[in-house]
Amino acid sequence: GAGVSQTPSNKVTEKGKYVELRCDPISGHTALYWYRQSLGQGPEFLIYFQGTGAADDSGLPNDRFFAVRPEGSVSTLKIQRTERGDSAVYLCASSLSGRAPYEQYFGPGTRLTVT
Amino acid sequence: TQLLEQSPQFLSIQEGENLTVYCNSSSVFSSLQWYRQEPGEGPVLLVTVVTGGEVKKLKRLTFQFGDARKDSSLHITAAQPGDTGLYLCAGRAGGTSYGKLTFGQGTILTVHP
Repeated sequence: GAGVSQTPSNKVTEKGKYVELRCDPISGHTALYWYRQSLGQGPEFLIYFQGTGAADDSGLPNDRFFAVRPEGSVSTLKIQRTERGDSAVYLCASSLSGRAPYEQYFGPGTRLTVT
Repeated sequence: TQLLEQSPQFLSIQEGENLTVYCNSSSVFSSLQWYRQEPGEGPVLLVTVVTGGEVKKLKRLTFQFGDARKDSSLHITAAQPGDTGLYLCAGRAGGTSYGKLTFGQGTILTVHP
């Protein structure tokens, strides 16, 4: 079946602009995760959803970052007033929930560049 | 805050050599996963280890979870150029943070023909 898909694959925006990044999880996966990966680093957790609700948003760096998952499937990560430091690859993952070990499967990522 | 320290950060070897990558923490994890990532792609899950002392094999790759579930290792036998990539370990704490993965910094492996 289809894996996790993310759009766009690349996004270039100017400092101060608003961006939205989209994630389509694997069909049937009720848990969805967002991570951010800077060059040469491992992914850093941002937020995860269990169904429609954010179960843990402790990784969001500040209130410019917000994510939604209104119908429990597709999720959108929203970044307001972008800064050059927001440039990174944003990864989305999904997993079956309700049963350990909650293996996460990743999409290809969206490379965000803030100029 | 849980941290995973991965070593070495870079590894450059010749085809046919063996290698080991280490992943260490002072924290206990309920499970630990190893991923491989290629440029421009997302991490691909290789294996999940759950039980302390567990050993899993995937062809030429051997994964071990420490007895105390604080560390793990990945051993590759007779490395091939196709093994080149970024290897990441990631731990899951469990409890109320069960969904969150904490990643190591990664090991960039280059296998020369």
